[in-house]
Amino acid sequence: DAMVIQNPRYQVTQFGKPVTLSCSQTLNHNVMYWYQQKSSQAPKLLFHYYDKDFNNEADTPDNFQSRRPNTSFCFLDIRSPGLGDAAMYLCATSRGVGTGFYSNQPQHFGDGTRLSIL
Amino acid sequence: RKEVEQDPGPFNVPEGATVAFNCTYSNSASQSFFWYRQDCRKEPKLLMSVYSSGNEDGRFTAQLNRASQYISLLIRDSKLSDSATYLCVVNRYSGGYQKVTFGTGTKLQVIP
Repeated sequence: DAMVIQNPRYQVTQFGKPVTLSCSQTLNHNVMYWYQQKSSQAPKLLFHYYDKDFNNEADTPDNFQSRRPNTSFCFLDIRSPGLGDAAMYLCATSRGVGTGFYSNQPQHFGDGTRLSIL
Repeated sequence: RKEVEQDPGPFNVPEGATVAFNCTYSNSASQSFFWYRQDCRKEPKLLMSVYSSGNEDGRFTAQLNRASQYISLLIRDSKLSDSATYLCVVNRYSGGYQKVTFGTGTKLQVIP
């Protein structure tokens, strides 16, 4: 089945130790998103790619970076995780249809990676 | 004011009841709208897109009111399995890219 796969499901890292979360998709969608979701809060968009074009949300901390080496894979790098970065990280994809860098299509989410910081 | 607002609930309803949620959005340039459900500690799953003319999928009906800037979700004949948090999502085109905003969700608890 076509899907969005995130690895690992659970990640524990130490305060300040860089960590990378990965996302892959078999949907062949050209738009990929990374969200952060904390308990009882809405998912918050960190950044997204429309094909290779990258858009960083204005309030995404500099500590968070992303790479998309090809259509299928996308990575979230947290350079120096702080305690406040403990959250669920969600990857999503959608088909880019519409004018400009805009997708009016629904998003499909992976299972998420739950990040804990020691 | 938040760009997308939802009543957090919880809505506690008996099985078989009809329940409705609203989601208001502040930016009139918003273009596409969706409802997702999210179970505890799981990822959001698409429930349905919301079309201008309104749309129905089984027991679920979604409507869009552009004049008053809200979308709604109606669930008929509630099942225990409908217990979840329902998130609305609003998309718009901003600064050359899409702006995606999730509501904080409305929690539904269906009681036997």
